[in-house]
Amino acid sequence: SYVLTQPPSVSVAPGKTARITCGGNNIGSKSVHWYQQKPGQAPVLVIYYDSDRPSGIPERFSGSNSGNTATLTISRVEAGDEADYYCQVWDSSSDHSVVFGGGTKLTVL
Amino acid sequence: EVQLVESGGGLVQPGGSLRLSCAASGFTFSSYEMNWVRQAPGKGLEWVSYISSSGSTIYYADSVKGRFTISRDNAKNSLYLQMNSLRAEDTAVYYCARGRDRRAFDIWGQGTMVTVSS
Repeated sequence: SYVLTQPPSVSVAPGKTARITCGGNNIGSKSVHWYQQKPGQAPVLVIYYDSDRPSGIPERFSGSNSGNTATLTISRVEAGDEADYYCQVWDSSSDHSVVFGGGTKLTVL
Repeated sequence: EVQLVESGGGLVQPGGSLRLSCAASGFTFSSYEMNWVRQAPGKGLEWVSYISSSGSTIYYADSVKGRFTISRDNAKNSLYLQMNSLRAEDTAVYYCARGRDRRAFDIWGQGTMVTVSS
């Protein structure tokens, strides 16, 4: 089955840029979605189809996807961005399974 | 307001059964694919099952195949997950999630906790 690999943690100072990676075999050929989850809350979709933002998600959130790596970029990081972030793809080519990365804890210093 | 509300979680013994429900409101439920996603305590997200808008196409994660059954009642705007032969490793918060194209989950419920323990 398809595997997505994320770094367990990323730390960034307020006002700086955070980049969270998601690695997978030829992930550039798939559509990647990103979710933000704060403690005790349900996940929230922040990026879909690699780089689109749902309504209500700040422009500070952006995404890219190429080759074997997809990246979620958060510009001008705020304390409220501290959360777990998960990447996700649909493996339509094999068993139609949905795969999540292991998650990355974003810490705002 | 677009909303999903799960119910039916609780404590069950290993080998037991439980049926989760997810009530949808604020959108045309019958037009959307639906999914169940779970999260074990302190762990990441794990997709469990998918059902198409009509209910004609269904997929399961290997970890639950043969034990769990997803279904929906579009007349009642409701999604279900019948869980049988439950194991300790099924302990998790179970979320229902609305699916968009390419399985982007744009709306999530608040989750319902399932604990499998003797």
